[in-house]
Amino acid sequence: SAVISQKPSRDICQRGTSLTIQCQVDSQVTMMFWYRQQPGQSLTLIATANQGSEATYESGFVIDKFPISRPNLTFSTLTVSNMSPEDSSIYLCSVGKGASYEQYFGPGTRLTVT
Amino acid sequence: KNQVEQSPQSLIILEGKNCTLQCNYTVSPFSNLRWYKQDTGRGPVSLTIMTFSENTKSNGRYTATLDADTKQSSLHITASQLSDSASYICVVSARTGGSYIPTFGRGTSLIVHP
Repeated sequence: SAVISQKPSRDICQRGTSLTIQCQVDSQVTMMFWYRQQPGQSLTLIATANQGSEATYESGFVIDKFPISRPNLTFSTLTVSNMSPEDSSIYLCSVGKGASYEQYFGPGTRLTVT
Repeated sequence: KNQVEQSPQSLIILEGKNCTLQCNYTVSPFSNLRWYKQDTGRGPVSLTIMTFSENTKSNGRYTATLDADTKQSSLHITASQLSDSASYICVVSARTGGSYIPTFGRGTSLIVHP
C-alpha cells in the first residue's frame, strides 16, 4: 500500500497568483501522477511526474501553467500558475504500486480562485 | 476512444437497503477494473480490483462483478449505512506496453438517508 499526504488541504487564492501543492508518499515510487477533479466531473490526468526528468503532460495541460517538480522518489510538487476562477478544482496526487498496479490517491487539495 | 460510463448519476436510498451501481466500458486492451469510494473532500479509496479472469470480488458489504464479454461491471452494496454516502468511481485500465492507462468514470453519487 501507499500513504499519501498533500499540503495544503485547501486554499482560497486570488486571480493571477500561484499556488504550489506538495505531495509526500511514505515509500519510494517510480511514477507519481497529478489529477484535477472539477465539480461533478471525473478525474482528469494533468501530468506524470518522473524522477530525474521533466514531467509528461496530457493534452490540454502545459508546463508553463502547471510546472511540476520531482526531486526524489517520495516527493513531488504541482504549481498552479497565474490562476483564474476556472482553475477552481480539487487537485489529487496519485501513485501506482504493485504487480496489479494498484493506484493510490492523496486526500486532495481543494482550490478556490476568486 | 476508451470510455467508462456509470449509472445512475446519483442515487438516494434508505439506511439498511441494498443498492447496485453500474459501470459500462469500452477500454482496450483491458487490464483491470477498479471501484473506488470517494468521500466528500477526500481522495478516492480503492474498494475492489478485478482482472479479466475474475468475475466477482467482495470487500465486506461491497461486492463487485465483472462481465468481460459484455464489458459491464456492477458494485452491490448490502445493508447500506450512513457512512456509505459518497461518490463511487469505476476505473478501467488498459495496458499498453509497460504502462497502465486508467480511464475514469464520472462516478455515482450515493446518499444514504436514516
